[in-house]
Amino acid sequence: QKEVEQNSGPLSVPEGAIASLNCTYSDRGSQSFFWYRQYSGKSPELIMFIYSNGDKEDGRFTAQLNKASQYVSLLIRDSQPSDSATYLCAVNESGTYKYIFGTGTRLKVLA
Amino acid sequence: DAGVIQSPRHEVTEMGQEVTLRCKPISGHNSLFWYRQTMMRGLELLIYFNNNVPIDDSGMPEDRFSAKMPNASFSTLKIQPSEPRDSAVYFCASSSAESGPQHFGDGTRLSIL
Repeated sequence: QKEVEQNSGPLSVPEGAIASLNCTYSDRGSQSFFWYRQYSGKSPELIMFIYSNGDKEDGRFTAQLNKASQYVSLLIRDSQPSDSATYLCAVNESGTYKYIFGTGTRLKVLA
Repeated sequence: DAGVIQSPRHEVTEMGQEVTLRCKPISGHNSLFWYRQTMMRGLELLIYFNNNVPIDDSGMPEDRFSAKMPNASFSTLKIQPSEPRDSAVYFCASSSAESGPQHFGDGTRLSIL
């Protein structure tokens, strides 16, 4: 059974701090990695995707991928209360076009 | 550009009734995915289509569930007969390539009484 694991949280950080969200996956053949943000009662919203080892930055968000260690992380700089949401990590299942989703990490940014 | 459009947004019906959920993918996207989300099981893929053809339906829970994609701009997910354990939020997502980023619709919140 291929798995994607995330700490369910809640992860609480003060406003202005860096929030670090982590995800590990079991499928060594996975090539595509995605981070979604989901507000309560809303649909998942794509915020980052990364395909290569290293860092990818987009505004306040940085995705980091380490295929050798099978983890992907999301850093949110200058966290705002509006960043409070559940963050879902998704990994493609090798040999298919399916995503495997983690159960999500709930982030709370404290004003 | 319009995103993925799902209807209805909410559906409440009695056990045993037929339920039909609808999805219009983003124009130009050729892959479409149906998911179900519950607190207990998280987000689960039910079925996905590429170029209107069902590719993998291994996530469909049982024969009561069926999905069709008659053309590039429309898909349905049908449950017949419905049961209380089918209560969940059902999402449709589309992507421009099978391996590309998926974009989700607003979902249908389904309650079976």
